[in-house]
Order: sequence, then structure tokens, then C-alpha cells
Amino acid sequence: AQSVTQPDIHITVSEGASLELRCNYSYGATPYLFWYVQSPGQGLQLLLKYFSGDTLVQGIKGFEAEFKRSQSSFNLRKPSVHWSDAAEYFCAVGAPTGNQFYFGTGTSLTVIP
Amino acid sequence: DAGVTQSPTHLIKTRGQHVTLRCSPISGHKSVSWYQQVLGQGPQFIFQYYEKEERGRGNFPDRFSARQFPNYSSELNVNALLLGDSALYLCASSTQVGGYNEQFFGPGTRLTVL
Repeated sequence: AQSVTQPDIHITVSEGASLELRCNYSYGATPYLFWYVQSPGQGLQLLLKYFSGDTLVQGIKGFEAEFKRSQSSFNLRKPSVHWSDAAEYFCAVGAPTGNQFYFGTGTSLTVIP
Repeated sequence: DAGVTQSPTHLIKTRGQHVTLRCSPISGHKSVSWYQQVLGQGPQFIFQYYEKEERGRGNFPDRFSARQFPNYSSELNVNALLLGDSALYLCASSTQVGGYNEQFFGPGTRLTVL
């Protein structure tokens, strides 16, 4: 069965520190991979996506993610976190066949001054 | 350009009642998907519609149904509400179906079942 795992329920980082949010997927083929961010009271906003090609993808707000096929991972990174990055982050996969879209359980990010 | 809009913003119902949630996609988008997000969890896929036809269904009971109209707007209906149906219901639109299509999300409808 397809699944998306985000091992870290909650992460706290200091402003200016680097960030890495983990995402692992379970799927027979390479799925389409996405990272979304959800601020309180807001809908989900797409940060970046990976379909094929270069395994390091750049997104909005200074985020990047690296696809590692051997580890079935798609980790999100940011070199220097800003207080406004505090939010809930969701990794998602789109099935290569069919129309399902699966989300992980999310990682809540707290940024301390 | 207007994004995905959903109505109402908040809704309070009692067990056993019926609820209808509405979604208007981004102009030009022909696909609408519905998700349930329980507090502290990621969104769970309920339905996807494209050109008024159901193209995908998640693992939800038959109490959940949806439809898409000729203008591509959509309704999600839930019958015989249970306490466990309390959640944020998200609508997303995309240009086409398929897992590679970026989905644009609305702000959601917060449903509380008492």
C-alpha cells in the first residue's frame, strides 16, 4: 500500500539555523513528490515538487528538497530559517497511475528567536 | 486571479444531520478534489472529480458523496453525521486529473459535529 511517512511530529529550531524535514514514501514506482506548507487558518500552499530529472529541486521561500531513490526519501531543507517559517509542513505523493494523492501526517515547525 | 473558494467557512451540526459543503475552483481548472483533515493529521483524500465524473475515491463510507457541476464547481455531501466527521474539509482544484498535477487548495470548511 502506498504511504507517506514524516517521522518528526514536531521540530523546534532557532531563527537563522538550518532546517531539514524528513519524508519517506512507500510506492512501487517513483511517485510525484510535493511539499506543502499550512499556516494556521490557511489552506495548503505548494513549496516545491519533483517529477523527474535533477534530484535537487528549488522551491519558493528559499526551500529546497532532494529526492533520493535509494532511500525513498524527499527531504525538505532550508539553510536559514525565518520566524515566518513557523507552520505545519506536509509531504505528499501523487500516484503515477490513478488519481490518488497521499499526504503525510505533517511536521509542525516552531521557530524560536 | 481568484483562488479556490469554499463555503461556508465554519459549520456546526449535530449528530445524524446532513451537511453540504461547496467549492469553486480556479477559473480554467476542470478537476476538483476533496480532502478531510482531522486535527493533528494530514489531509485524507475523499474524492476527485473531472468534467463532472468521479475519477477517484478514497476510503470513506457511502455517507460521503460529491458531485461536480457544469461550471466545475463542486459539492461534498455528508449524511448521518458522526462526531468523528468533525474536521477541516479542503477542496483543491487542478487543470487535469493525474498524480502529477499540482493541486491548489482552498482555505477549507471547518465542520464541528456535536
